[in-house]
Amino acid sequence: GENVEQHPSTLSVQEGDSAVIKCTYSDSASNYFPWYKQELGKRPQLIIDIRSNVGEKKDQRIAVTLNKTAKHFSLHITETQPEDSAVYFCAATQPNTDKLIFGTGTRLQVFP
Amino acid sequence: EAQVTQNPRYLITVTGKKLTVTCSQNMNHEYMSWYRQDPGLGLRQIYYSMNVEVTDKGDVPEGYKVSRKEKRNFPLILESPSPNQTSLYFCASSQGLGFTEAFFGQGTRLTVV
Repeated sequence: GENVEQHPSTLSVQEGDSAVIKCTYSDSASNYFPWYKQELGKRPQLIIDIRSNVGEKKDQRIAVTLNKTAKHFSLHITETQPEDSAVYFCAATQPNTDKLIFGTGTRLQVFP
Repeated sequence: EAQVTQNPRYLITVTGKKLTVTCSQNMNHEYMSWYRQDPGLGLRQIYYSMNVEVTDKGDVPEGYKVSRKEKRNFPLILESPSPNQTSLYFCASSQGLGFTEAFFGQGTRLTVV
Protein backbone atom coordinates (compact mmCIF):
# COMPACT_ATOMS: atom_id res chain seq x y z
CA GLY A 1 0.00 0.00 0.00
CA GLU A 2 0.87 3.67 -0.11
CA ASN A 3 3.45 5.09 2.31
CA VAL A 4 4.14 8.81 2.76
CA GLU A 5 7.30 10.11 4.41
CA GLN A 6 7.60 13.73 5.53
CA HIS A 7 10.65 15.81 6.48
CA PRO A 8 11.64 17.61 8.57
CA SER A 9 9.65 16.84 11.69
CA THR A 10 10.35 20.32 13.09
CA LEU A 11 11.35 23.52 11.34
CA SER A 12 12.18 26.89 12.87
CA VAL A 13 12.53 30.00 10.72
CA GLN A 14 12.79 33.72 11.22
CA GLU A 15 9.82 35.82 10.18
CA GLY A 16 10.16 36.78 6.53
CA ASP A 17 12.27 33.74 5.61
CA SER A 18 11.04 30.88 3.43
CA ALA A 19 10.10 27.41 4.66
CA VAL A 20 10.13 24.18 2.67
CA ILE A 21 8.59 20.87 3.72
CA LYS A 22 9.21 17.75 1.67
CA CYS A 23 7.27 14.52 1.21
CA THR A 24 7.85 11.34 -0.71
CA TYR A 25 5.29 8.70 -1.63
CA SER A 26 5.64 5.09 -2.68
CA ASP A 27 2.67 4.30 -4.94
CA SER A 28 3.21 5.70 -8.42
CA ALA A 29 -0.56 5.42 -9.04
CA SER A 30 -1.35 8.07 -6.37
CA ASN A 31 -2.86 11.07 -8.10
CA TYR A 32 -3.90 13.69 -5.55
CA PHE A 33 -1.65 15.39 -3.00
CA PRO A 34 -3.21 17.77 -0.46
CA TRP A 35 -1.54 19.72 2.32
CA TYR A 36 -3.28 20.36 5.63
CA LYS A 37 -2.46 22.92 8.29
CA GLN A 38 -3.31 22.24 11.92
CA GLU A 39 -3.04 25.14 14.33
CA LEU A 40 -2.61 24.39 18.01
CA GLY A 41 -5.76 22.81 19.42
CA LYS A 42 -7.60 23.02 16.12
CA ARG A 43 -8.65 20.62 13.38
CA PRO A 44 -6.58 20.04 10.22
CA GLN A 45 -7.67 22.25 7.33
CA LEU A 46 -6.78 22.06 3.66
CA ILE A 47 -4.47 24.86 2.51
CA ILE A 48 -3.46 23.74 -0.97
CA ASP A 49 -3.58 20.64 -3.13
CA ILE A 50 -2.14 19.41 -6.41
CA ARG A 51 -3.19 16.75 -8.89
CA SER A 52 -0.84 14.43 -10.70
CA ASN A 53 -1.29 16.17 -14.06
CA VAL A 54 0.17 19.44 -12.70
CA GLY A 55 3.77 20.19 -11.72
CA GLU A 56 3.26 23.30 -9.60
CA LYS A 57 0.47 25.29 -8.01
CA LYS A 58 0.59 28.62 -6.18
CA ASP A 59 -1.76 30.46 -3.88
CA GLN A 60 -0.37 33.75 -2.64
CA ARG A 61 2.55 32.93 -0.31
CA ILE A 62 2.22 29.15 -0.54
CA ALA A 63 3.11 26.84 -3.40
CA VAL A 64 3.30 23.12 -3.95
CA THR A 65 5.53 21.32 -6.43
CA LEU A 66 5.22 17.74 -7.64
CA ASN A 67 7.87 15.55 -9.23
CA LYS A 68 6.09 12.38 -10.37
CA THR A 69 9.24 10.71 -11.62
CA ALA A 70 10.95 11.01 -8.26
CA LYS A 71 7.67 10.65 -6.33
CA HIS A 72 8.38 13.82 -4.38
CA PHE A 73 6.16 16.77 -3.54
CA SER A 74 6.97 19.85 -1.49
CA LEU A 75 5.26 22.75 0.23
CA HIS A 76 6.91 26.16 -0.05
CA ILE A 77 5.94 29.08 2.16
CA THR A 78 7.50 32.45 1.36
CA GLU A 79 7.68 35.56 3.55
CA THR A 80 6.70 33.53 6.61
CA GLN A 81 4.65 35.18 9.35
CA PRO A 82 4.06 34.16 12.98
CA GLU A 83 0.54 33.00 12.06
CA ASP A 84 2.11 30.39 9.78
CA SER A 85 3.24 28.57 12.94
CA ALA A 86 1.39 25.24 12.96
CA VAL A 87 1.75 21.56 12.16
CA TYR A 88 1.63 20.81 8.44
CA PHE A 89 0.64 17.42 7.04
CA CYS A 90 1.15 16.20 3.52
CA ALA A 91 -1.02 13.40 2.16
CA ALA A 92 -1.48 11.22 -0.89
CA THR A 93 -4.68 9.62 -2.12
CA GLN A 94 -4.88 6.01 -3.07
CA PRO A 95 -6.56 5.90 -6.49
CA ASN A 96 -10.31 5.22 -6.60
CA THR A 97 -10.67 5.04 -2.82
CA ASP A 98 -10.61 8.63 -1.51
CA LYS A 99 -8.38 7.26 1.22
CA LEU A 100 -5.79 9.77 2.39
CA ILE A 101 -2.42 8.52 3.59
CA PHE A 102 -0.85 11.20 5.75
CA GLY A 103 2.76 12.01 6.47
CA THR A 104 3.84 12.27 10.10
CA GLY A 105 3.66 16.07 10.16
CA THR A 106 6.07 19.02 10.37
CA ARG A 107 5.88 21.47 13.25
CA LEU A 108 6.76 24.89 11.83
CA GLN A 109 7.70 27.69 14.20
CA VAL A 110 8.10 31.21 12.87
CA PHE A 111 9.96 33.52 15.23
CA PRO A 112 9.32 37.28 15.08
CA GLU B 1 -22.83 26.35 7.70
CA ALA B 2 -21.10 23.29 6.20
CA GLN B 3 -19.49 21.35 8.99
CA VAL B 4 -18.51 18.09 10.61
CA THR B 5 -19.54 17.85 14.24
CA GLN B 6 -18.17 15.31 16.66
CA ASN B 7 -18.95 14.81 20.33
CA PRO B 8 -17.76 14.83 22.97
CA ARG B 9 -14.70 17.11 22.70
CA TYR B 10 -13.06 15.63 25.77
CA LEU B 11 -13.63 12.30 27.45
CA ILE B 12 -11.95 10.53 30.35
CA THR B 13 -13.03 6.97 30.91
CA VAL B 14 -11.91 3.77 32.61
CA THR B 15 -10.57 0.64 31.00
CA GLY B 16 -13.33 -1.62 29.71
CA LYS B 17 -16.21 0.85 29.82
CA LYS B 18 -17.88 0.99 26.41
CA LEU B 19 -18.07 4.40 24.79
CA THR B 20 -19.27 6.01 21.57
CA VAL B 21 -17.96 9.12 19.87
CA THR B 22 -20.51 10.61 17.51
CA CYS B 23 -19.82 12.25 14.15
CA SER B 24 -22.30 14.04 11.93
CA GLN B 25 -21.86 15.97 8.66
CA ASN B 26 -24.36 18.23 6.88
CA MET B 27 -22.72 18.31 3.44
CA ASN B 28 -24.29 15.15 2.01
CA HIS B 29 -20.82 13.63 1.68
CA GLU B 30 -20.44 10.03 0.58
CA TYR B 31 -17.09 9.31 2.22
CA MET B 32 -16.50 9.44 5.97
CA SER B 33 -13.57 8.27 8.04
CA TRP B 34 -12.07 8.21 11.50
CA TYR B 35 -8.46 9.02 12.31
CA ARG B 36 -6.40 8.96 15.43
CA GLN B 37 -3.57 11.43 15.93
CA ASP B 38 -0.59 10.52 18.08
CA PRO B 39 2.69 12.46 18.51
CA GLY B 40 5.22 11.53 15.86
CA LEU B 41 2.78 9.25 14.03
CA GLY B 42 0.60 11.75 12.21
CA LEU B 43 -2.99 10.93 11.32
CA ARG B 44 -3.75 7.24 10.95
CA GLN B 45 -7.01 6.00 9.55
CA ILE B 46 -9.07 3.71 11.78
CA TYR B 47 -12.14 2.96 9.65
CA TYR B 48 -13.82 4.49 6.65
CA SER B 49 -17.16 4.34 4.88
CA MET B 50 -17.80 4.96 1.20
CA ASN B 51 -21.57 5.05 1.61
CA VAL B 52 -24.48 3.94 3.80
CA GLU B 53 -24.01 0.41 5.12
CA VAL B 54 -20.53 0.23 3.52
CA THR B 55 -17.64 0.32 5.98
CA ASP B 56 -14.08 -0.99 5.85
CA LYS B 57 -10.97 -1.16 7.97
CA GLY B 58 -8.30 1.47 7.77
CA ASP B 59 -4.74 1.09 8.98
CA VAL B 60 -5.34 0.75 12.74
CA PRO B 61 -8.82 -0.80 13.22
CA GLU B 62 -8.12 -3.08 16.20
CA GLY B 63 -10.33 -2.29 19.19
CA TYR B 64 -12.77 -0.09 17.25
CA LYS B 65 -16.12 -0.51 15.55
CA VAL B 66 -18.14 1.81 13.33
CA SER B 67 -21.55 1.89 11.71
CA ARG B 68 -23.09 3.89 8.85
CA LYS B 69 -26.87 3.54 9.08
CA GLU B 70 -27.49 7.05 7.77
CA LYS B 71 -25.45 9.09 5.34
CA ARG B 72 -24.82 11.94 7.77
CA ASN B 73 -23.73 9.93 10.83
CA PHE B 74 -20.66 7.79 11.41
CA PRO B 75 -20.17 6.90 15.10
CA LEU B 76 -16.97 5.39 16.46
CA ILE B 77 -17.46 2.70 19.10
CA LEU B 78 -14.90 1.44 21.58
CA GLU B 79 -16.42 -1.72 23.07
CA SER B 80 -13.70 -2.21 25.70
CA PRO B 81 -11.34 0.77 25.77
CA SER B 82 -7.74 0.26 26.83
CA PRO B 83 -5.05 2.81 27.79
CA ASN B 84 -3.33 2.44 24.40
CA GLN B 85 -6.44 3.98 22.85
CA THR B 86 -5.72 7.26 24.63
CA SER B 87 -5.41 9.63 21.70
CA LEU B 88 -6.86 12.56 19.77
CA TYR B 89 -9.58 11.38 17.38
CA PHE B 90 -10.84 13.13 14.27
CA CYS B 91 -13.81 12.35 12.09
CA ALA B 92 -13.64 13.56 8.49
CA SER B 93 -15.90 13.60 5.45
CA SER B 94 -15.41 14.24 1.74
CA GLN B 95 -17.51 14.20 -1.38
CA GLY B 96 -16.19 10.80 -2.36
CA LEU B 97 -15.46 11.45 -6.01
CA GLY B 98 -11.68 11.66 -5.78
CA PHE B 99 -9.55 14.82 -5.62
CA THR B 100 -11.85 16.27 -2.99
CA GLU B 101 -11.16 18.12 0.23
CA ALA B 102 -11.56 16.27 3.51
CA PHE B 103 -13.42 18.27 6.17
CA PHE B 104 -12.48 17.42 9.74
CA GLY B 105 -14.49 17.58 12.94
CA GLN B 106 -13.22 19.49 15.97
CA GLY B 107 -11.54 16.47 17.48
CA THR B 108 -12.16 14.33 20.57
CA ARG B 109 -9.42 13.98 23.13
CA LEU B 110 -9.90 10.59 24.78
CA THR B 111 -8.08 9.47 27.90
CA VAL B 112 -8.46 5.87 29.09
CA VAL B 113 -7.22 5.22 32.62
